[in-house]
Amino acid sequence: DIQLTQSPSSLSASVGDRVTITCRSSQNIKIYLNWYQQKPGKAPKLLIYAASSLQTGVPSRFSGSGSGTDFTLTISSLQPEDFAAYYCQQSYTTLPYTFGQGTKLDMK
Amino acid sequence: QVQLQESGPGLVKPSETLSLTCTVSGDSLNTYYWTWIRQSPGKGLEWIGYIHDSGSTTYNPSLRSRITISVDTSINQFSLKMTSVTAADSAVYYCARDRPYCSSISCYRTFDSWGPGSLVTVSS
Repeated sequence: DIQLTQSPSSLSASVGDRVTITCRSSQNIKIYLNWYQQKPGKAPKLLIYAASSLQTGVPSRFSGSGSGTDFTLTISSLQPEDFAAYYCQQSYTTLPYTFGQGTKLDMK
Repeated sequence: QVQLQESGPGLVKPSETLSLTCTVSGDSLNTYYWTWIRQSPGKGLEWIGYIHDSGSTTYNPSLRSRITISVDTSINQFSLKMTSVTAADSAVYYCARDRPYCSSISCYRTFDSWGPGSLVTVSS
């Protein structure tokens, strides 16, 4: 299986901060990498697909970059509604799809 | 706008079969792929498997021997059955739409719509 390792596992930040989360893959997955946001008690929500494409309706303060084995999710100016958990997921192979372990972003 | 809703028992006894159904509205099961994903504190998010309208399925190899995903396009539902459950199968189970976004170069699969989730506890 393709392993995805996110860092950090948790992060404290303030409104207005620029935040970066990293996802590293155990093998080259080109740009087959998605990012999701999950709030407590809710299902994950797709933010970014194909490493850098913003899903419709997602604010432009979210951006993704990277290819191969190293990827980043950046929130340019943190808003109160952005405190949540974030997960990366690879779709390079469906056997099986895999997720990162998650990054919990909370308020400093 | 597509909506998904999981339904099924919240409590299953060890060694028995877990059965969940996902009802889809706003889209036809004749499009895209339809998937099950679970989330537990111990194992995070884990993809279980998906089905296409033709009835073709792809399962997570780690679960393949115990799971069956089926579809009934006439009532826009797809289902998950997992046999011989143990406490390790306790999780929130989500159904989701597995939709490819395509460029001129390739298609990129995503889970772009999710149900709210169904908590399943395995306990006697």
